[in-house]
Amino acid sequence: GDSVTQTEGPVTVSESESLIINCTYSATSIAYPNLFWYVRYPGEGLQLLLKVITAGQKGSSRGFEATYNKETTSFHLQKASVQESDSAVYYCALGSSNTNKVVFGTGTRLQVLP
Amino acid sequence: DAGVTQTPRHEVAEKGQTIILKCEPVSGHNDLFWYRQTKIQGLELLSYFRSKSLMEDGGAFKDRFKAEMLNSSFSTLKIQPTEPKDSAVYLCASSFGGGATGQLYFGEGSKLTVL
Repeated sequence: GDSVTQTEGPVTVSESESLIINCTYSATSIAYPNLFWYVRYPGEGLQLLLKVITAGQKGSSRGFEATYNKETTSFHLQKASVQESDSAVYYCALGSSNTNKVVFGTGTRLQVLP
Repeated sequence: DAGVTQTPRHEVAEKGQTIILKCEPVSGHNDLFWYRQTKIQGLELLSYFRSKSLMEDGGAFKDRFKAEMLNSSFSTLKIQPTEPKDSAVYLCASSFGGGATGQLYFGEGSKLTVL
């Protein structure tokens, strides 16, 4: 089936360090998957962080970037210099434009130390 | 505009009971998703509806989980019979073109505890 695998957390980094959270996907029933990163900050609901719907393209938001790599079926989330306010749970997800189905990964808890 | 409303927020059930969780999506949205959220498995897709039609019924969750969308503004998730391993937060989300846009709107969730 369709699935998403991402870095198992928790991930702990110090402020101003770089970050990468790995995400790979398997899209057996979705011909042209769209890829998303969601984030849940403490005390808040899940919200869309960034999205990319075209292979080879890069999405960015709040200093985070992710590139849709169809060859390696990956969509890793990166940030050059994290801040304490980035502490949250990050979810990678894939979606279908045809069916509107959205499948999430297990989530990666990020803790940024001051 | 009202967001996604889920009730009850908390539910405690004995093993073997039937529980029904409710969801009211954002008005005008035509996609509705039910997810189960646990620390180990993350967000697992249970069911999703597109324009009230059931598109996926969750595979491994089929036997005791049944989601219905009675009309465009109301959905239920029935778990029958409940088991302790069903203890989790159940999230409902709605969207207009979710798989294309990624813009899902989530409710606050229903936390289920099965004793």
